[in-house]
Amino acid sequence: EVYLVESGGGLVQPGGSLRLSCAASGFTFNRYAMHWVRQAPGKGLEFVSAISSSDGSTYYASSVKGRFTISRDNSKNTLYLQMGSLRAEDMAVYYCAREDLGTTIDFWGQGTLVTVSS
Amino acid sequence: DIQMTQSPSSLSASVGDRVTITCRASQGIRSSLAWFQQKPGKAPKSLIFAASSLQSGVPSKFSGSGSGTDFTLTITSLQPEDFATYYCHQYYSYPLSFGGGTKVEMK
Repeated sequence: EVYLVESGGGLVQPGGSLRLSCAASGFTFNRYAMHWVRQAPGKGLEFVSAISSSDGSTYYASSVKGRFTISRDNSKNTLYLQMGSLRAEDMAVYYCAREDLGTTIDFWGQGTLVTVSS
Repeated sequence: DIQMTQSPSSLSASVGDRVTITCRASQGIRSSLAWFQQKPGKAPKSLIFAASSLQSGVPSKFSGSGSGTDFTLTITSLQPEDFATYYCHQYYSYPLSFGGGTKVEMK
């Protein structure tokens, strides 16, 4: 069974940094592209970033480009999101998600909450 | 960037009803369209990919159709567990994008 478990969320001051992790199990992690998707309180889903399985290509929403960095450690079956220069509008539940081979998201983690406040 | 517009933003329905949600892309996305279901306080669940293909384990009361710019999600014989918010999602090109959601509420 596929499991995606996010961690690293919490309270951070505006301008601060945070690193999210997503531990994957139940599948061959290095074969799958992975995504981060967020959801602000009471709002809809928003694409944040994605990383390919093969060549490590990365993709970002314009709202986070230059501030967030996605990475993966295939030896640890773990996805990361390094977030910097955090703003109030970055406050959200951050979901880790798996992209099925050649298509789209098929499994989601339970999410981790990031609160940006002084 | 591709914008995804869902309608309606909310609807009221009764158990047993047939419900249709529409999603329009700002430009053609072929069949690179997915649908997700989300219940309050829970992670989204994947329902449909490639516009009309059901994810494994998803009941056949859910169906999707469309290609290009116009898509629909249909739920037949609505059951209590189907009351949720539904999102469309284009994965044709980056940055990926989601529709604003359709909340299906009990009448």
